[in-house]
Amino acid sequence: GENVEQHPSTLSVQEGDSAVIKCTYSDSASNYFPWYKQELGKRPQLIIDIRSNVGEKKDQRIAVTLNKTAKHFSLHITETQPEDSAVYFCAASKKLTFGTGTRLTIIP
Amino acid sequence: NAGVMQNPRHLVRRRGQEARLRCSPMKGHSHVYWYRQLPEEGLKFMVYLQKENIIDESGMPKERFSAEFPKEGPSILRIQQVVRGDSAAYFCASSPRNEDAEQYFGPGTRLTVT
Repeated sequence: GENVEQHPSTLSVQEGDSAVIKCTYSDSASNYFPWYKQELGKRPQLIIDIRSNVGEKKDQRIAVTLNKTAKHFSLHITETQPEDSAVYFCAASKKLTFGTGTRLTIIP
Repeated sequence: NAGVMQNPRHLVRRRGQEARLRCSPMKGHSHVYWYRQLPEEGLKFMVYLQKENIIDESGMPKERFSAEFPKEGPSILRIQQVVRGDSAAYFCASSPRNEDAEQYFGPGTRLTVT
């Protein structure tokens, strides 16, 4: 089955700086890679996703890059704001194997 | 357009009782996934269902857990004879199709076993 590793587990960033979270996956058949943001006590919310026929996708301050050869994908958040503070999860494949999460803290 | 609905939001059961968790997918979605999340941990896949069919239950414990998604009504995750280790947040997600499709999560049911 699929195995997803996510780094770092915690990340503190000064407001306005960029944050990068990285994930690797094991199953070369995986074709779908979403990112979720989860605030404390809330549901995971889909913030961006990428499919294997695309190398990069951007939505305002959020971007995701995918390297299928190396089997890794990354989330980039630019111009970070306090409301970006949350736990971020990457996932891979249809039945969504999740990474272990990154707790992002934006320091005002 | 209502999102994914789950009820109850909080459920307290004593050891040995049964827990029934309900999930109504988004309108137009016929694919439902259940996940379990322990405190401070990620989400673990449990089961994937389409209407009246279990497609993949590879993440479901073999005993005490069952799931269904009938032709009419919500999907149900049933846990019999609950134990303390079943305490967790249970999320369902729905999707409009089965291939590489986005999943939208419900608010979760927080199960506490006393």
